[in-house]
Amino acid sequence: NAGVTQTPKFRILKIGQSMTLQCTQDMNHNYMYWYRQDPGMGLKLIYYSVGAGITDKGEVPNGYNVSRSTTEDFPLRLELAAPSQTSVYFCASSYPGQSEKLFFGSGTQLSVL
Amino acid sequence: DQQVKQNSPSLSVQEGRISILNCDYTNSMFDYFLWYKKYPAEGPTFLISISSIKDKNEDGRFTVFLNKSAKHLSLHIVPSQPGDSAVYFCAARGSNDYKLSFGAGTTVTVRA
Repeated sequence: NAGVTQTPKFRILKIGQSMTLQCTQDMNHNYMYWYRQDPGMGLKLIYYSVGAGITDKGEVPNGYNVSRSTTEDFPLRLELAAPSQTSVYFCASSYPGQSEKLFFGSGTQLSVL
Repeated sequence: DQQVKQNSPSLSVQEGRISILNCDYTNSMFDYFLWYKKYPAEGPTFLISISSIKDKNEDGRFTVFLNKSAKHLSLHIVPSQPGDSAVYFCAARGSNDYKLSFGAGTTVTVRA
């Protein structure tokens, strides 16, 4: 029962570096999401996708890009990493008819120094 | 602009007693409310939900109460158990939206 799998679990980046956070799900969910969680804050939506080839911005999309070429995968790209992007990143997925019941991955702890 | 607010960052309760977690929201278009539970180093997991047409929903030891006029909901855990020690997030969405707005979370510690 893999569910939603995120890699890597931890990463340290230098300012200006780029990286891709990987997310894959094996539940055939159409909807996928990327959230970030900062200390003392709720989860903020970065980007979301309602199906392969369709993506849209959430609340805090600046500095990130996504793609959705398959139903299973939804990678998040950070270009020119900044200290403000230090956070815990969660990928999630859901069924269209139950879009509120998200299945989350275990998260990626990212530090930008 | 935080539309879902959990004003208590932490709660400590003795095992066997009731835990009450509170959540307030500002968006009157929200019509579906959820609670998620999160353990360290894991992602949040869905716990319980309530639609705006109801004022109470119960699932085992967990009950969620909704007061629409006050834009307030609460989660009751009775009796509290050590395994309930976790961070609890309140979340909400509107009827024509599939994006959730989350509160900042309340850390619950259940003391033996």
